[in-house]
Amino acid sequence: GEDVEQSLFLSVREGDSSVINCTYTDSSSTYLYWYKQEPGAGLQLLTYIFSNMDMKQDQRLTVLLNKKDKHLSLRIADTQTGDSAIYFCAESETGANNLFFGTGTRLTVIP
Amino acid sequence: DAGITQSPRHKVTETGTPVTLRCHQTENHRYMYWYRQDPGHGLRLIHYSYGVKDTDKGEVSDGYSVSRSKTEDFLLTLESATSSQTSVYFCATAGTGETYEQYFGPGTRLTVT
Repeated sequence: GEDVEQSLFLSVREGDSSVINCTYTDSSSTYLYWYKQEPGAGLQLLTYIFSNMDMKQDQRLTVLLNKKDKHLSLRIADTQTGDSAIYFCAESETGANNLFFGTGTRLTVIP
Repeated sequence: DAGITQSPRHKVTETGTPVTLRCHQTENHRYMYWYRQDPGHGLRLIHYSYGVKDTDKGEVSDGYSVSRSKTEDFLLTLESATSSQTSVYFCATAGTGETYEQYFGPGTRLTVT
């Protein structure tokens, strides 16, 4: 399968911005997603970006895509304690199948 | 949420026994998926379905089989469970929208002793 890499842990103070990074190897990636997983729950889609886009903003979330470096990031502005969760990036060439996930980044928000 | 339920939510079974996990969806989504989640590996695709009776293998399909006899249900079977199949199993569905975003069920925690 394709390699999708994420750092395992990130801690930030409440109110600060969080930046979660992801790198992938598949140059054919067309669809890139960010999912959030809270304890004991399934994954919830946060946002997505197409490979022909550089940036997407959705309220407190900003996704940046550097296709040349195969680097994806998720910025969460004004991070709250409710943002504490595991965040997964995922990529797909076709969208309908073969979704490859990173290992997840556990975000801890310190009050 | 796409109205996805999984059953059972928790199961403990012994090595060598068959196990079937069920995924049920109410959204009439065409695509359904089974993943397993293990520490350090993220989620890995086991099998997926692109329609009734149409299935294909994913990245880690060995030891697993699936069936989809109707749109709503996607079954995952471990023919003879092994301890390496202890994991959390997630079902997901996707429609045919522009982004094919997948919606996940709550997961089934399976322990094979």
